[in-house]
Amino acid sequence: EAGVTQFPSHSVIEKGQTVTLRCDPISGHDNLYWYRRVMGKEIKFLLHFVKESKQDESGMPNNRFLAERTGGTYSTLKVQPAELEDSGVYFCASSQERGVGETQYFGPGTRLLVL
Amino acid sequence: AQSVSQHNHHVILSEAASLELGCNYSYGGTVNLFWYVQYPGQHLQLLLKYFSGDPLVKGIKGFEAEFIKSKFSFNLRKPSVQWSDTAEYFCAVRLGGGYNKLIFGAGTRLAVHP
Repeated sequence: EAGVTQFPSHSVIEKGQTVTLRCDPISGHDNLYWYRRVMGKEIKFLLHFVKESKQDESGMPNNRFLAERTGGTYSTLKVQPAELEDSGVYFCASSQERGVGETQYFGPGTRLLVL
Repeated sequence: AQSVSQHNHHVILSEAASLELGCNYSYGGTVNLFWYVQYPGQHLQLLLKYFSGDPLVKGIKGFEAEFIKSKFSFNLRKPSVQWSDTAEYFCAVRLGGGYNKLIFGAGTRLAVHP
């Protein structure tokens, strides 16, 4: 069974540019999560999809971040325009269950560097 | 706000030494608890998890963790580490009450020397 995949693995952009990150969850997983780790800090939750619906977007930093999951399969996270403080590792995770018993499986992350 | 504290940011051990990594959380209700590990160049992997029942849980690669509710702790232990345990370890908590997101600690980098 293929795991969670993310693309690209690395991205270097200049301040003010746009970047789109992609996550493909494990097949059949309805739950999809985005997390971010800014260098040296903890991994922080950004948002949670159940199928194509946003269940919880309380962690999104501001309106420069837009996440979509059309059709309930893969998800994209777009940052427009990117700022220096957006640099970090963006993780995607997916799970099948919800609530008690749920285990989230993580992708390898996308390392974003904004110059 | 709820938070997770990992007491040691960097730990250096020799092979065969015993390991204990501390994890405390601040939340008085029901929690699910996790330890994830990230080996160099690899993605986050689940090491072990606690949902309910026996507070001593065993995970992969000889790791175990003990949930002590009165201390709000979920410390990770291994009696004898190997060089291959060199990695970053993350404690995470999911709150009860319908929340799905994980709250992570800052991580502990473990270096095991042969």
